Amino acid sequence: DTAVSQTPKYLVTQMGNDKSIKCEQNLGHDTMYWYKQDSKKFLKIMFSYNNKELIINETVPNRFSPKSPDKAHLNLHINSLELGDSAVYFCASSPGGGATVVTQYFGPGTRLLVL
Amino acid sequence: AQSVTQLDSQVPVFEEAPVELRCNYSSSVSVYLFWYVQYPNQGLQLLLKYLSGSTLVKGINGFEAEFNKSQTSFHLRKPSVHISDTAEYFCAVSELGDDKIIFGKGTRLHILP
Repeated sequence: DTAVSQTPKYLVTQMGNDKSIKCEQNLGHDTMYWYKQDSKKFLKIMFSYNNKELIINETVPNRFSPKSPDKAHLNLHINSLELGDSAVYFCASSPGGGATVVTQYFGPGTRLLVL
Repeated sequence: AQSVTQLDSQVPVFEEAPVELRCNYSSSVSVYLFWYVQYPNQGLQLLLKYLSGSTLVKGINGFEAEFNKSQTSFHLRKPSVHISDTAEYFCAVSELGDDKIIFGKGTRLHILP
């Protein structure tokens, strides 16, 4: 069984479109994250939710809006896509409480290409 | 704020040779340290982590890392690499009490036949 899953795996779209990426974890974790990995492989955190509550919101354009319907899901909606949004987006989750909160488990990634 | 430096963007090494991937961090408080591996076209997988206790940490696939507080380093080592170790390796740091992990820019390990 996949621990952290993301859909779609690949996403090719035109500039200006709105798209969503979905993430689900079946690990029973309390915290979920979205990362962006650029073409140079640099990983940067975008958002983090703990029990459906936003706890980390890095400097990300407000075209990006995370939504957590329950603690097992964290979706990422992107409005008015731009060329610079092309990247691999990774979802991750971690257990809650103490040192274990920072051990993160990553999904396989969603490769977004904006044309 | 914490930061991570991986000095080598690429490391070529012959198969069955030993390898060391360097990682240095900066933080004003106690930290947790991690190494993640990303195989081609895949997500990140945790190799090993240092939370507390013994400074020598053993991970999966024969990798180990040593936490050196005085040198603020957490270098990753393997005594004999295999072609299947070809991947991008990321060092990461998290400050105690912080949910956020900061990743280094990654080191690409090339295994030469």
